[in-house]
Amino acid sequence: GENVEQHPSTLSVQEGDSAVIKCTYSDSASNYFPWYKQELGKRPQLIIDIRSNVGEKKDQRIAVTLNKTAKHFSLHITETQPEDSAVYFCAASSPGGYQKVTFGIGTKLQVIP
Amino acid sequence: SAVISQKPSRDICQRGTSLTIQCQVDSQVTMMFWYRQQPGQSLTLIATANQGSEATYESGFVIDKFPISRPNLTFSTLTVSNMSPEDSSIYLCSVENGLDRELFFGEGSRLTVL
Repeated sequence: GENVEQHPSTLSVQEGDSAVIKCTYSDSASNYFPWYKQELGKRPQLIIDIRSNVGEKKDQRIAVTLNKTAKHFSLHITETQPEDSAVYFCAASSPGGYQKVTFGIGTKLQVIP
Repeated sequence: SAVISQKPSRDICQRGTSLTIQCQVDSQVTMMFWYRQQPGQSLTLIATANQGSEATYESGFVIDKFPISRPNLTFSTLTVSNMSPEDSSIYLCSVENGLDRELFFGEGSRLTVL
């Protein structure tokens, strides 16, 4: 089955700096790569996703890149703000009868004001 | 988007007992997913529940321990049976936005087993 590795597990940045979280996946059939943000005590929520036919996607201060050959993808947050502090999960999903999503272990991001 | 209600939101349970978690969705969905999130850990898929058929369990999870019901297209239950302290976790119900593949999660049910 799919295996998703994520690093770093914790990340502290100064407000205004950039943050980068990296993930690798094992199943070359995976074609959908979402990123979820989970604030303390809250449910995970999708912040951005990328499909295997795209190399990069941006949404305001957030961008995701995908390298299919190397089987890795990354989340980039620019101009970080304290409200970006949360746990971020990368995930990979392969096509099939139902969507089985495999999550990375999570990165706890702390933005220091 | 989908609005998902879960209950209980939290509970403290005694070892050896069972607890049923309910998940209600505000729209009809084909599949519902049950995840476990142990303290400080990632999200692990327990099983996928289709209406009218048996749930599909992931490796490491069995029906006797985590029986699931799916009586209609908007509701599912997950039972955690014969609980031990190792079952202390947050259990999350989830559904997929079929068009975009986005997962929507319930608030989660935080179980503490003493």
